[in-house]
Amino acid sequence: QSALTQPASVSGSPGQSITISCTGTSSDVGGYNYVSWYQHYPGKAPKLMIYEVNNRPSGVSNRFSGSKSGNTASLTISGLQAEDEADYYCNSYTISSTLVFGGGTKLTVL
Amino acid sequence: EVYLVESGGGLVQPGGSLRLSCAASGFTFSSYSMNWVRQAPGKGLEWISYISGSSSTLYYADSVRGRFTISRDNAKNSLYLQMNSLRDEDTAVYYCARGYYDSGLDSWGQGTLVTVSS
Repeated sequence: QSALTQPASVSGSPGQSITISCTGTSSDVGGYNYVSWYQHYPGKAPKLMIYEVNNRPSGVSNRFSGSKSGNTASLTISGLQAEDEADYYCNSYTISSTLVFGGGTKLTVL
Repeated sequence: EVYLVESGGGLVQPGGSLRLSCAASGFTFSSYSMNWVRQAPGKGLEWISYISGSSSTLYYADSVRGRFTISRDNAKNSLYLQMNSLRDEDTAVYYCARGYYDSGLDSWGQGTLVTVSS
């Protein structure tokens, strides 16, 4: 199972919006509405930000939103804040009943 | 509050074995699926194994299938990962995580470091 494709890095200024893409295939992202997104600060436990493409767990800011079109899912962060600077990973269910992560995207807040 | 605490990491030689544990608290452990996810130095997250609440269903990533075995003891609220035939490329921080595809991996431990080196 190949990793999902994410941009290695994205950046934005405080207050702006950014979008991170996550591209897979019809056997994972495109085939199921089971894409999740994780925020990861180095040395810390990853945190679930979005599940089932566009659902936010309790306590996650509504500045975080998810969407999907075809084989590509996206995470959008609006009103960028310094604390959003972290690594972000997408994850999808696959046709083999396994899970697969994207390669990760480093978000820099300028 | 949900707590997941991994243990058992350390330095092991190539070809060796190690058993990781994950102690769970704050929720009804037997009702939840569990996973192991790892992160090699400088690399991204990699899902490696899943186990259902009753242990009836197990899944593995190709990279570890046949070498690693996931298990759980619901009476002890514990998750395990038996790692055999370890390779240099298995060096990573290993996390246990609760959940599956529908809910996402909604709770994670802090991780335990496994270093495979001679």
